[in-house]
Amino acid sequence: AQTVTQSQPEMSVQEAETVTLSCTYDTSESDYYLFWYKQPPSRQMILVIRQEAYKQQNATENRFSVNFQKAAKSFSLKISDSQLGDAAMYFCAYRNTGNQFYFGTGTSLTVIP
Amino acid sequence: GAVVSQHPSRVICKSGTSVKIECRSLDFQATTMFWYRQFPKQSLMLMATSNEGSKATYEQGVEKDKFLINHASLTLSTLTVTSAHPEDSSFYICSARDGGLYGYTFGSGTRLTVV
Repeated sequence: AQTVTQSQPEMSVQEAETVTLSCTYDTSESDYYLFWYKQPPSRQMILVIRQEAYKQQNATENRFSVNFQKAAKSFSLKISDSQLGDAAMYFCAYRNTGNQFYFGTGTSLTVIP
Repeated sequence: GAVVSQHPSRVICKSGTSVKIECRSLDFQATTMFWYRQFPKQSLMLMATSNEGSKATYEQGVEKDKFLINHASLTLSTLTVTSAHPEDSSFYICSARDGGLYGYTFGSGTRLTVV
């Protein structure tokens, strides 16, 4: 079974600074997708960024970028120029070839004004 | 963009009763929907995969008879919690495969409280 591990239950960052959230996963599959989702207090899951495992190039989406290390099974999220609105719970997720998602335990991000 | 509507957003029911949660894809057809459960300050746990016109596939440890899933149309999947007990109190979220750029859209969730 696929497992996703987020070792940082809580993180904080000063507004306008950069923060990196860690994620590792375990799988025997070679074809899969990785995601970062944001869950604000409203509990709505919002897609932040995704990465296809077959792509070597790291995905970027405005202030959000990932460091995907396939051999190490690592998928970290970097948030640059942090904003107050970035404060939320962040979940790393793995999607297998059966289209099922498996989520990490989440990292609660606090942005300090 | 793709929208998934989940209803109700909150429900309180008495122990022993059943409650139905609906998940609708509003502007696309969803042959596959997924149901998750999230305990406070915890991750989303996949409960089952719902396929239109066929039986749902349940994850290990999820009671099929307790969590009934019906996906009778391409735009609607329902999760019925039968004979609810306080330990079933949780946040339930559905998602649907929309076939778009990112492929999956989540509903806004249902907070179930069993008293």
